[in-house]
Amino acid sequence: GENVEQHPSTLSVQEGDSAVIKCTYSDSASNYFPWYKQELGKGPQLIIDIRSNVGEKKDQRIAVTLNKTAKHFSLHITETQPEDSAVYFCAASSEEYGNKLVFGAGTILRVKS
Amino acid sequence: DAGITQSPRHKVTETGTPVTLRCHQTENHRYMYWYRQDPGHGLRLIHYSYGVKDTDKGEVSDGYSVSRSKTEDFLLTLESATSSQTSVYFCAISGQAGGYTFGSGTRLTVV
Repeated sequence: GENVEQHPSTLSVQEGDSAVIKCTYSDSASNYFPWYKQELGKGPQLIIDIRSNVGEKKDQRIAVTLNKTAKHFSLHITETQPEDSAVYFCAASSEEYGNKLVFGAGTILRVKS
Repeated sequence: DAGITQSPRHKVTETGTPVTLRCHQTENHRYMYWYRQDPGHGLRLIHYSYGVKDTDKGEVSDGYSVSRSKTEDFLLTLESATSSQTSVYFCAISGQAGGYTFGSGTRLTVV
């Protein structure tokens, strides 16, 4: 089955700097890669996603890139703000395994003001 | 969150007692999932459902059972709770292939 590894486990950045979180996946059949943000005491919320037929996707200050050959994808947050502080999860799924999401272990992002 | 509610939000129970967590959706989505969240492990799939009375096991299903008698409700049961099942449990829903919408979670403590 699929295995997703996520790095780093914690990341501290200064307000205004960029943050990058990286994930690798094992199953070449995976074709859907969402990113979730989880604030304290809440459930994860989808912030951006990408499918395997696209190399990059942007939404204001966040972007995701996908390298299918290397089987890795990354989340980029520019001009970080204190409200970006949260736990971020990457995930992967494939139609072959019923579109069930397999999650990385999460990254705690702290934005220092 | 977007038509999905979990109950209870918090529960403390004793080892060996049965516990049932409820997930209710108003989105009429076909797929429903139960995950547990533990430090260092992210979110791990316990069981999922792809329709009424259609359920299957995830990667950490031992000690758990589920039922889905109506589209809107997905129940997770711990037949005999153990301390290793102390965790935060999340329910999620999805339509066709795509992202999930998660509930707010249930914090379960087994003492």
